[in-house]
Formats: sequence, structure tokens, C-alpha cells
Amino acid sequence: EVQLVESGGGLIQPGGSLRLSCAVSGFTFSSYWMVWVRQAPGKGLMWVSFIKNDGSSTISADSVKGRFTISRDNAKNTLYLQMNSLRAEDTALYYCARNPPTILGAFDVWGQGTLVLVSS
Amino acid sequence: QSVLTQPPSASGTPGQRVTISCSGSSSNIGKNVVNWYQQVPGAAPKLLIYANDQRPSGVPDRFSGSKSGTSASLAISGLQSEDEADYYCAAWDDSLNGPYVLFGGGTKLTVL
Repeated sequence: EVQLVESGGGLIQPGGSLRLSCAVSGFTFSSYWMVWVRQAPGKGLMWVSFIKNDGSSTISADSVKGRFTISRDNAKNTLYLQMNSLRAEDTALYYCARNPPTILGAFDVWGQGTLVLVSS
Repeated sequence: QSVLTQPPSASGTPGQRVTISCSGSSSNIGKNVVNWYQQVPGAAPKLLIYANDQRPSGVPDRFSGSKSGTSASLAISGLQSEDEADYYCAAWDDSLNGPYVLFGGGTKLTVL
């Protein structure tokens, strides 16, 4: 069974750091591009970051550029999101999702999400 | 960053056909494929339509997508109560600041 399981969320003070993880199983992780997408409470979806299957290229939204870093460990079947200088507006449910390399932008499997709450 | 514009709400009765629009620009929908996602309350999003008009395995053929110029549409025929959800369009944007992924603001579909 294809699964993505996020972890690492929690309550953090403004200016703090968190590292989210996304453990995958049931498919060849190293063959897929991966993304992080977030959803603020009661709001819509917002794409955060993208990474190619071999980690050779990453792209991030302007709102997180310079603060968030996406990475992956294909040997551990795990995707990461290092979040620094967190702000209240980063409060959201963070999803990891899989992107087949043949269908750019089509996120075909999603995790259940991990909640990040930035508050003092 | 650019935006994809969707109507905030849509509604229909069981059995009806409803359409949801998604308007973009030449740097996103005008040059890249559109994907659609369904999000039932309390659940993660689900890929509904990819590459403008393709359905992933398991998605009923009641759902269809189309694209013309800088706009796209999702159509749901034979509306059912379980179709009540939020629907999002998405596309890559290749503007000067890009590339990046854009989501529409979402359309809340109510089945009356």
C-alpha cells in the first residue's frame, strides 16, 4: 500500500525552527518528485516547495524562500522540510505529496498532514 | 505571484450537472496543464483530474475537465451527495519569478 506519513509538527514560538518529515512506503521513492503543500486553518491550499527525485533541483514559494528548505534522503525513503524563522502566518496543516515525473504538477498521493502552530 | 481565480461556491441538486471554472493567465493555464483536486472536509486533498482532462484510476467518469486558452473547467454530472467538497484547480506558473505551483482559491460545492 502506498503511504505518506508526516510528522514533526507542533507548537512553536515565532522565530523558532521545526523540521517536518514525511516517511513514504509502498513505492520507489527515488523515482518520484515530491512536494510540500500547506493549508492554513479554514483556508485553501498553498504550494510550499518542490524537489526532484534525485534532489538535484528544488523550488520554493516566495513566501518561504530563504526560510524553508526542502530535502530528501532516498536511502531512508524520507522527505524533509526544514522551517526556520517561523512566523504566525506559517501556521497551517502541512501535507507532503507525490508527483509522478511524467505529470508535472499532478500530486497523486497525499499524506494526512502534520499541524504547525506558530504562536507565543 | 499570479493567481488562479475560482468561484467561492457552487451548488446543485442530486442528478444535476455543475461546472466550476478556473481562470488564469498566459504564464500558467495558458502554457501549462491544469490539475483538479477534491477535498472532503477533514480529509487530505485527492487528485481528481490531471493534464487538463485525464482521470486517475478510480475516479468516476462523472468528473471531467477541459481547458481553453487561459481558463479551465471541471464538470460534475449526475451530482451525488458525496460530491459535496471543496474543489481546487492548480497549474505551474512560468512567470519571471517562477516557476512555481499555483492553486486556485477553491470552490465549495454544496449538494442541495
